[in-house]
Amino acid sequence: EAQVTQNPRYLITVTGKKLTVTCSQNMNHEYMSWYRQDPGLGLRQIYYSMNVEVTDKGDVPEGYKVSRKEKRNFPLILESPSPNQTSLYFCASSFRGAGYGYTFGSGTRLTVV
Amino acid sequence: AQKVTQAQTEISVVEKEDVTLDCVYETRDTTYYLFWYKQPPSGELVFLIRRNSFDEQNEISGRYSWNFQKSTSSFNFTITASQVVDSAVYFCALSEASAVRASGGTSYGKLTFGQGTILTVHP
Repeated sequence: EAQVTQNPRYLITVTGKKLTVTCSQNMNHEYMSWYRQDPGLGLRQIYYSMNVEVTDKGDVPEGYKVSRKEKRNFPLILESPSPNQTSLYFCASSFRGAGYGYTFGSGTRLTVV
Repeated sequence: AQKVTQAQTEISVVEKEDVTLDCVYETRDTTYYLFWYKQPPSGELVFLIRRNSFDEQNEISGRYSWNFQKSTSSFNFTITASQVVDSAVYFCALSEASAVRASGGTSYGKLTFGQGTILTVHP
């Protein structure tokens, strides 16, 4: 089944403790992206990647890191999480760019205390 | 810079009513793509429609219809004879064909969402 898989689904962590949210897609898509969803703000793009080793900042990249060492994987790294990063995170992938639409994972609900 | 505004934060209707969700966008590009996504209570994001800027024909899919008007920069979504299963958060989104990368050059990775409209359909 074609899908975007992100793990974990739920995560509670403490301020400052480094964490990684994994994302993998099995559709051989070139583009991948991370979004965060907050009430009243909709979905905001954190980072996106156009191919292996090519990434770029979205609208809210502060406090996040990403890497694209393999085409299928695009992990999101929070090196020192803070409570304002408590949010619902979505990973997404697209065959040839955002103009073709993104396919989204099921989401990761992160709580930083 | 691309921007999407969904001014309706929440809409509440009774089953079988028609409801229109508004979407207004801003872009300097002549080539761009517009989308609607649905997020049901289970939380996943479901793709509904994609429309490019050169195709202003309205589209109908069952009870769903979309009205794209470049003159008013709007891409509104109407649900006819709403049902309880239509209760969800609906997002409008925009992708410019020649969005500028933060690090320079052209990007095709940016997809900008509106704030979302929470639709509640009561039985």
